[in-house]
Amino acid sequence: NAGVTQTPKFRILKIGQSMTLQCTQDMNHNYMYWYRQDPGMGLKLIYYSVGAGITDKGEVPNGYNVSRSTTEDFPLRLELAAPSQTSVYFCASSPEGARYTFGSGTRLTVV
Amino acid sequence: GQQVMQIPQYQHVQEGEDFTTYCNSSTTLSNIQWYKQRPGGHPVFLIQLVKSGEVKKQKRLTFQFGEAKKNSSLHITATQTTDVGTYFCAGRGAGKSTFGDGTTLTVKP
Repeated sequence: NAGVTQTPKFRILKIGQSMTLQCTQDMNHNYMYWYRQDPGMGLKLIYYSVGAGITDKGEVPNGYNVSRSTTEDFPLRLELAAPSQTSVYFCASSPEGARYTFGSGTRLTVV
Repeated sequence: GQQVMQIPQYQHVQEGEDFTTYCNSSTTLSNIQWYKQRPGGHPVFLIQLVKSGEVKKQKRLTFQFGEAKKNSSLHITATQTTDVGTYFCAGRGAGKSTFGDGTTLTVKP
């Protein structure tokens, strides 16, 4: 099993550009999450999903959008990138109430 | 909403010394999980505690869940350089988990 796969691993965006961070899992987990981690800081929840077709905002959703059309995929969309969105983005999945499996992260720089 | 506080934020130890990080929740938890993130890596699951007063051990690591299910601790005995990284707790309540901000451990050889 691949677990949670994130692409790309690295990306540099210019201010105002848009991009989609891809996340896919092959463990048939209902729950999926997007976190951002700024340097030396903890994990901040951006959006999460409890199943296909259902998404909800986390602590820091502004500037981001998500969709969950299938159990496997949970892409994160950045519209009009800003320097404040420079961060490492982690996708994770879990069965309900159980351990999280994280992807290896996307390191995004907005210049 | 639910808040999970973790202390200390940083801990620097000499190799061989012990290390403890503490996690405190504003609400009663159904379970608590611990994760380790190596520098430049992603969080990796270590353990989950569910029962009040539960204690679990993994080699040199000891995990405790408080009697009131609102706090937890991770203790490492005789740290090694391989223990460096950031340790996060994640407390589950009201249907979702909240991560603490982590404790970053550095070990001087």
